[in-house]
Amino acid sequence: AQRVTQPEKLLSVFKGAPVELKCNYSYSGSPELFWYVQYSRQRLQLLLRHISRESIKGFTADLNKGETSFHLKKPFAQEEDSAMYYCALSGGYNKLIFGAGTRLAVHP
Amino acid sequence: DVKVTQSSRYLVKRTGEKVFLECVQDMDHENMFWYRQDPGLGLRLIYFSYDVKMKEKGDIPEGYSVSREKKERFSLILESASTNQTSMYLCASRTSGLAEATIGGTQYFGPGTRLLVL
Repeated sequence: AQRVTQPEKLLSVFKGAPVELKCNYSYSGSPELFWYVQYSRQRLQLLLRHISRESIKGFTADLNKGETSFHLKKPFAQEEDSAMYYCALSGGYNKLIFGAGTRLAVHP
Repeated sequence: DVKVTQSSRYLVKRTGEKVFLECVQDMDHENMFWYRQDPGLGLRLIYFSYDVKMKEKGDIPEGYSVSREKKERFSLILESASTNQTSMYLCASRTSGLAEATIGGTQYFGPGTRLLVL
């Protein structure tokens, strides 16, 4: 079964602290994974995708096929990073399968 | 600039009413999607369409139907609204272009419609 698991509903950190939002997936083929972000009062938008191997707003995510994980990391959190983060898996027919989401709260 | 619009930001309906949620995209995308977003459950796919007049059920289609008469417009219909359909509804679109299909396409989302069924 295709599934995305985000084990933390809420991650609360102080400004300047490292951040790691966890994502594990279950997929039988070669996965395509994404992180989407939703800031307060804004629409859901793509943050990054594993195939691009890019860093966006200081965030990176590495696909670990052995651990079936795609954790999102940032070395120094900023207050403006506070948002809802969703991990997603491309599941065929151009569909996305989303995790339940993790709310990141960065405190001053 | 990419644009996905939804007809209403907020809707209040009564149980048993027929409800139409409209979504329009201006990017000439082939694929369009309807999700509902609930706390603790994330986004769940209701229906999607990969071409005009084509539709496929997602993970939670019960109680919903869709219509795609034109490429740019994808409508979600609640035939008889119930209180358990109170939710945030998100529309999205993406291309089916070769490059996108190969590298994994970005879905572009609308602002959402918050529906309250009383």
